[in-house]
Amino acid sequence: GQQVMQIPQYQHVQEGEDFTTYCNSSTTLSNIQWYKQRPGGHPVFLIQLVKSGEVKKQKRLTFQFGEAKKNSSLHITATQTTDVGTYFCAGKGRNTGKLIFGQGTTLQVKP
Amino acid sequence: NAGVTQTPKFQVLKTGQSMTLQCAQDMNHEYMSWYRQDPGMGLRLIHYSVGAGITDQGEVPNGYNVSRSTTEDFPLRLLSAAPSQTSVYFCASSYHNGEQYFGPGTRLTVT
Repeated sequence: GQQVMQIPQYQHVQEGEDFTTYCNSSTTLSNIQWYKQRPGGHPVFLIQLVKSGEVKKQKRLTFQFGEAKKNSSLHITATQTTDVGTYFCAGKGRNTGKLIFGQGTTLQVKP
Repeated sequence: NAGVTQTPKFQVLKTGQSMTLQCAQDMNHEYMSWYRQDPGMGLRLIHYSVGAGITDQGEVPNGYNVSRSTTEDFPLRLLSAAPSQTSVYFCASSYHNGEQYFGPGTRLTVT
């Protein structure tokens, strides 16, 4: 079945450093979504990518969707303490209604 | 709009007991789903529904039943609770292929 793998599981950075999390799917995706979950909270939608090779930016966050639509990445430039949380990718396969989440990357930022 | 609501917020069950986790949304979303979240495992899809009267299994459906008699409600039933079902449960809804809106979660402990 469809699997979505995400690495790394944890990342500790100094405030101001950059951060990247990677997402890989076992099957071609129709779209990929990214979510952020703060400690004790629920996942909150950040963005959706649909097109092959698509790149989207939200302030210091850059999201990419691979050419083969099987991988994606989230890059944060100059992290801040407000970036702390767990970042999840979630992919929907072409022929399925299932949205499958990766295991998440938990980001800690040291001030 | 209340968005996605879940009840109860917390629940303790004894092994073998049954219960229903409630989920409701007032956004007229056709797509609803249930996830469980365990440390290091990310969000795993239990069951999902693409519309009233239609449900399908996710990644980890065993031990859980769902039904979707209305667009608004998507209850999750545990027929005979087991300690392995101790987890945080999230319900989510969306338009097809769109942004998922998550409820606040139910923290379930099975002793």
